[in-house]
Amino acid sequence: DAKTTQPPSMDCAEGRAANLPCNHSTISGNEYVYWYRQIHSQGPQYIIHGLKNNETNEMASLIITEDRKSSTLILPHATLRDTAVYYCIVRVNNAGNMLTFGGGTRLMVKP
Amino acid sequence: EAQVTQNPRYLITVTGKKLTVTCSQNMNHEYMSWYRQDPGLGLRQIYYSMNVEVTDKGDVPEGYKVSRKEKRNFPLILESPSPNQTSLYFCASSLQGTYQPQHFGDGTRLSIL
Repeated sequence: DAKTTQPPSMDCAEGRAANLPCNHSTISGNEYVYWYRQIHSQGPQYIIHGLKNNETNEMASLIITEDRKSSTLILPHATLRDTAVYYCIVRVNNAGNMLTFGGGTRLMVKP
Repeated sequence: EAQVTQNPRYLITVTGKKLTVTCSQNMNHEYMSWYRQDPGLGLRQIYYSMNVEVTDKGDVPEGYKVSRKEKRNFPLILESPSPNQTSLYFCASSLQGTYQPQHFGDGTRLSIL
């Protein structure tokens, strides 16, 4: 699986968009980008995933650059409850084996 | 309600006393997995199971055992716990493998004295 690089921490004002970057310059053609988050010490929560097209769901949007070497998770209107560690994971989309979490980005949403 | 349930949520015990952490899911998921989380080391996978009677080692399987006799249950067994197994443990499940969204339990905090 490709390695990912994320900033260790970011701040965002409540109500503003939070844009969380992820670099995955060694990504291969069949690897998907996944995002999870972990609020305090709760179990991680799946947010979104994509291959090369931009994706949107009720929680967030995922923007993947054309060369697929980086992506951005967008929380359009961040709330205090979005304060969490956000993990970007790149892996091949097949059934089975392991899921590797990196260090993630600690997002602090401030009033 | 769809959920992954872990028990106990907290446990303090002593070195060498066998313990089992249970994990149960009610979503008929085929894939289940155990992780441990330690400060500075992040989440690391211990074992996973693709289906009943099929289990495989993750990144850090030493000192742990698992079994998958039924689809809904995936217990984590520490035969002879040691202080370096003090950690926060999470169970997760998905329909089929890690390419589908993982549903995580609320965690079990183990302290081995």
